[in-house]
Amino acid sequence: QQQVKQSPQSLIVQKGGIPIINCAYENTAFDYFPWYQQFPGKGPALLIAIRPDVSEKKEGRFTISFNKSAKQFSLHIMDSQPGDSATYFCAAVNFNKFYFGSGTKLNVKP
Amino acid sequence: DVKVTQSSRYLVKRTGEKVFLECVQDMDHENMFWYRQDPGLGLRLIYFSYDVKMKEKGDIPEGYSVSREKKERFSLILESASTNQTSMYLCASSLGGHQEAFFGQGTRLTVV
Repeated sequence: QQQVKQSPQSLIVQKGGIPIINCAYENTAFDYFPWYQQFPGKGPALLIAIRPDVSEKKEGRFTISFNKSAKQFSLHIMDSQPGDSATYFCAAVNFNKFYFGSGTKLNVKP
Repeated sequence: DVKVTQSSRYLVKRTGEKVFLECVQDMDHENMFWYRQDPGLGLRLIYFSYDVKMKEKGDIPEGYSVSREKKERFSLILESASTNQTSMYLCASSLGGHQEAFFGQGTRLTVV
């Protein structure tokens, strides 16, 4: 049973579009919510992370929106580029253990 | 530059073999993890270790065991490999608290 539910499974956008990836969780003990980016043949790498006392965090073109009452969080990629094409994983952390969503494969078309 | 190194990129093993996957980190991290990655299922936690000789089961520990005799090394053991254990295996380490987890490049294991 997946502790973090992620959607959509795949996403295709045109260059400059704003893909949005959504995640939901049930366990209110989670206290850290990172997003990871994975390119083919590589391990996942941290993209951006948020703590539950903050509703939004921006780093460059990447923004996390966090809704604690709804137990949902999402990743927005502004002005998406073909180089952003990758698989994205949301995660939730409790007592140092990372639980990951099922992943979203993003394709940004030129 | 931080590094998590997995000993093999690709492995092919026969059903029933005992398989060892090795992982080494050079960051003096307390926590180490083994995940398996399957399409549509994301990364599922197999085992977690928070100190030398200390371990906790993750969501899918059946058919696996782990060993952590030294802080920098975390081994995943498939006691008797089966075809349903064909997968990508990822090792990670973290300092703990709200610190990121660093991943190795993965081992693609095929059991025939």
